[in-house]
Amino acid sequence: SQQGEEDPQALSIQEGENATMNCSYKTSINNLQWYRQNSGRGLVHLILIRSNEREKHSGRLRVTLDTSKKSSSLLITASRAADTASYFCATDAGKDAGNNRKLIWGLGTSLAVNP
Amino acid sequence: DAGVIQSPRHEVTEMGQEVTLRCKPISGHDYLFWYRQTMMRGLELLIYFNNNVPIDDSGMPEDRFSAKMPNASFSTLKIQPSEPRDSAVYFCASSNRGGFTEAFFGQGTRLTVV
Repeated sequence: SQQGEEDPQALSIQEGENATMNCSYKTSINNLQWYRQNSGRGLVHLILIRSNEREKHSGRLRVTLDTSKKSSSLLITASRAADTASYFCATDAGKDAGNNRKLIWGLGTSLAVNP
Repeated sequence: DAGVIQSPRHEVTEMGQEVTLRCKPISGHDYLFWYRQTMMRGLELLIYFNNNVPIDDSGMPEDRFSAKMPNASFSTLKIQPSEPRDSAVYFCASSNRGGFTEAFFGQGTRLTVV
């Protein structure tokens, strides 16, 4: 079952603009991750944020986590055409899931960065 | 490390045939996940293993699907008999703490059942 829900489903911007994607989830989590998938390729891990963290940066990526709202956002600054991809959030199975170590995935946001 | 290796990259088969997908996880990782991705249903977890033991197979769609992990460096996902609705991209991923750390994905196997 899907826990994470990203919005928007699709986003089209111009090179140099910022792109913001959001993810909502349902249960109490230990961590949330963001992944990127280029067309026809496997998913690549971008960043992991733990439930006791509120913000994390990695290069042009900024991730925030609001556990009270059960939501996260991924901001890509100064976007490039090469950022064109689908972006997925994933959470662990939740603090009530015992020792289950699966990831639960959203349906993704398709980002198009136009040159 | 070469990363997670899946084979074949593409598979076209006729309905009713047996299909076997293969995966070699990253050395030292003790979790292995099999996923299926379609446009309609997104990324679905089929099954995952910890230390070669199947832990959660609740996502396996039906008895036609089976998965094995005979050792720490190899896993298979078998579909017998295959049906057109099994057409999808199948991914294998591995990690060293399951959902608590990043997962490393293979390039996937694109399966087409005609």
